[in-house]
Amino acid sequence: AQSVTQLGSHVSVSEGALVLLRCNYSSSVPPYLFWYVQYPNQGLQLLLKYTTGATLVKGINGFEAEFKKSETSFHLTKPSAHMSDAAEYFCAVSGANQAGTALIFGKGTTLSVSS
Amino acid sequence: GAVVSQHPSRVICKSGTSVKIECRSLDFQATTMFWYRQFPKQSLMLMATSNEGSKATYEQGVEKDKFLINHASLTLSTLTVTSAHPEDSSFYICSARDSGTGDNEQFFGPGTRLTVL
Repeated sequence: AQSVTQLGSHVSVSEGALVLLRCNYSSSVPPYLFWYVQYPNQGLQLLLKYTTGATLVKGINGFEAEFKKSETSFHLTKPSAHMSDAAEYFCAVSGANQAGTALIFGKGTTLSVSS
Repeated sequence: GAVVSQHPSRVICKSGTSVKIECRSLDFQATTMFWYRQFPKQSLMLMATSNEGSKATYEQGVEKDKFLINHASLTLSTLTVTSAHPEDSSFYICSARDSGTGDNEQFFGPGTRLTVL
């Protein structure tokens, strides 16, 4: 079984500041990990994913995340926030041997960016 | 990337009527599709897993007779909300998994906003 915890339901940063959105997971099998972004009244768009290989994963819009097995974490970062980054962010997990099963989502983190 | 469409994007209906929502994978085949429900400011709640050619698997607490799911082809799944009531008002999102890949990435539709009066 898998679960996801996103620490901080709301994160506020200034434009140009570092963005850090936290995600910890629990999985009884090797995990596949995902970060999705959702803009108001829209579906989810994949930012990046970790399946196997390099633990530092680069995604779209300048975001990246690092899989740390020892910490069971997959935190999302971006060096410099942009106003357009304001949105809802979801971390999700599935088991590596469980293709075809639904993703388990965290509760989401709302990112606000001020000028 | 792969594209998933949903139709309609927004629907308003009277209490007691039925509403059908379509989810299509436009450029890939999806043996498995998922239906989620999202309340304002909340995460996605999985309602059911839709498998092509077989019965859907519903999550605990989801009424299968109220939320009818049909997955008749590799590119189309439908969710019908029967005898809708105001409490069914929500944002419904589908996702599809590309059957040709093994990493379980899922592609999401843009969502359907259902308002029951």
